This record gives sequence, structure tokens and C-alpha cells, in this order.
Amino acid sequence: GAGVSQTPSNKVTEKGKYVELRCDPISGHTALYWYRQSLGQGPEFLIYFQGTGAADDSGLPNDRFFAVRPEGSVSTLKIQRTERGDSAVYLCASSPGRTGELFFGEGSRLTVL
Amino acid sequence: AQSVAQPEDQVNVAEGNPLTVKCTYSVSGNPYLFWYVQYPNRGLQFLLKYITGDNLVKGSYGFEAEFNKSQTSFHLKKPSALVSDSALYFCAVRDLRTGANNLFFGTGTRLTVIP
Repeated sequence: GAGVSQTPSNKVTEKGKYVELRCDPISGHTALYWYRQSLGQGPEFLIYFQGTGAADDSGLPNDRFFAVRPEGSVSTLKIQRTERGDSAVYLCASSPGRTGELFFGEGSRLTVL
Repeated sequence: AQSVAQPEDQVNVAEGNPLTVKCTYSVSGNPYLFWYVQYPNRGLQFLLKYITGDNLVKGSYGFEAEFNKSQTSFHLKKPSALVSDSALYFCAVRDLRTGANNLFFGTGTRLTVIP
């Protein structure tokens, strides 16, 4: 596709449930990023992939959060035992390299009841 | 550590007037600097970036920004504001010295252009 695609656009779940958020980056972009944006805040870095490997996962808040990119394209952010504080918009971005701008998807809005 | 400050949560400007959205940064090395815009219920859209070279960079929708190394600033400007410019604007920085892979974002400035 022309841009970064994220699904679902909205996800409502109950506390304690497991959630997967998917990101399909721009074709050919080797770098992929996950950010989290809470209301009234700027995007907060979670994890960065270069190819298939997680090159930097220093932003993941705890071990309930995990992300994969098995074939170097589509990525899935996985959240176990969701908590109400996990409610936010999860943004995915891709980039052709380390020095260029990031191209963002429209985000997945997660609401944990 | 890298950081970005957007000192104004809200900027109001009349349509047709010049606008400025302020951004200052702190990095240990040379910065890559970016501006993004976010419209309601949409993802972030890239406006412009400074990598090297001319301190005045021009971007999308008539926006420009000036890199000022001595003041560690990268203010976003537009000569004549449009109502459609009303949105949330984010400044971001990447620190080359640390080799940080991610962009670090400010908290955003909401621009309202009054007709």
C-alpha cells in the first residue's frame, strides 16, 4: 500500500485480556517503530526494528509488552494482561533508513475497561 | 540525554497573520530535527526536517523552520496562517552522537487559527 497501515483502528478490551496490534509498513522500509501516545502527550517510543530484529526495545514499559517482525515487514505489538493504564493510541511508523523521517500510520486506539 | 521542549501548549493566531510555534532541544551531539503535524483522529504527518546545510528549511503546506544552533531552537513558521492549519504540532529530535534510533518528541503545541 501507499502508506503505513495499522489494524485494528479501535480496540476495546477488558482488563486482563491479551491484545495484538498489527502494523504493515511502507514497502521496502527496513526500519519500523512503535510509539504510544496518551491523551495530551507526544508520542512515546516503545521499540525499533531494523529488519527482523528488535534493535532497540528500551521503551517497552514492562514485560507485558512484546513485539515481533518475523519476516522483516509486518509487525505485531502484543500486550498481555492488559491494564487500564495501557489505554492509549499505539502508533506505528516506518522509515527507509536511520536518518530519514518516519512515516506514521493512523494508529490503533486501545481502550482497556 | 536528548530532550525537546515546546513551551507553549496553545498558540492562537488570526487568519492571514504570521505564525510561530516554538521548539528548543537538548542533545549531546549534532541533532536531526523534525516537525510533524497531527490532525484530529489522524496519524502524524511529516512537515519538514533539518539534517545539515542551510539553517532555513522549507516544508509542506508553506511551513518553514529555522535551525539556530546557538539558541538550540528550531521554531516552526508560516508567513500567513490558514484556518486549515489548525492542528497539533510536534517537534522531534534525533541525537546523532548517541546513535539513538528513535525520534524523541515534544509534548505538542495546539495551533488554532481564528477566522
